[in-house]
Amino acid sequence: EAGVAQSPRYKIIEKRQSVAFWCNPISGHATLYWYQQILGQGPKLLIQFQNNGVVDDSQLPKDRFSAERLKGVDSTLKIQPAKLEDSAVYLCASRLMGDVSEAFFGQGTRLTVV
Amino acid sequence: AQSVTQLDSQVPVFEEAPVELRCNYSSSVSVYLFWYVQYPNQGLQLLLKYLSGSTLVKGINGFEAEFNKSQTSFHLRKPSVHISDTAEYFCAVSEGAQKLVFGQGTRLTINP
Repeated sequence: EAGVAQSPRYKIIEKRQSVAFWCNPISGHATLYWYQQILGQGPKLLIQFQNNGVVDDSQLPKDRFSAERLKGVDSTLKIQPAKLEDSAVYLCASRLMGDVSEAFFGQGTRLTVV
Repeated sequence: AQSVTQLDSQVPVFEEAPVELRCNYSSSVSVYLFWYVQYPNQGLQLLLKYLSGSTLVKGINGFEAEFNKSQTSFHLRKPSVHISDTAEYFCAVSEGAQKLVFGQGTRLTINP
């Protein structure tokens, strides 16, 4: 079974530029999460999708971050404009809908804003 | 809202020694508990989970954890660690099939 795919693995941008990350969840997983992991901290949820609908985006900085999940499969997370404090690893995870068991994580995208 | 506290940010141990990584949680409802491991430049991999039933849960790589409802704890243990166990360990809690809330992580360093 293929895992959660994320791209790119690494990205370096200047502040005020824009950037986008892509995630392809495990086939059949209706629930998709985007987490932000700042160095030395635990992952923090940015947004949760159920199919193509948003379940929780309470911690998403909506003035600069946006995410979409068209057709309920792939998802894109965008930052525009980026700030220095956005430097982090962005993790995508997926889970079967209604499943209280394991969430599967991708390898993440490491973003450095300079 | 649920929250997770990992009581140690770093734990150094010698190879073949036992280790315990501590985790406490708070939640107003029944929860599901998880331990994930993160190797350098990798995503998170599930070590073990508590959903219901026996409070002693066994996972991969010889790890186990005990759910203690009265103390709201879910400590991770391994009787004998190996160099390859060097990694960051995260405790997480979930209310139903909703979001996973993670602790700050514990960096486990194994010294030869």
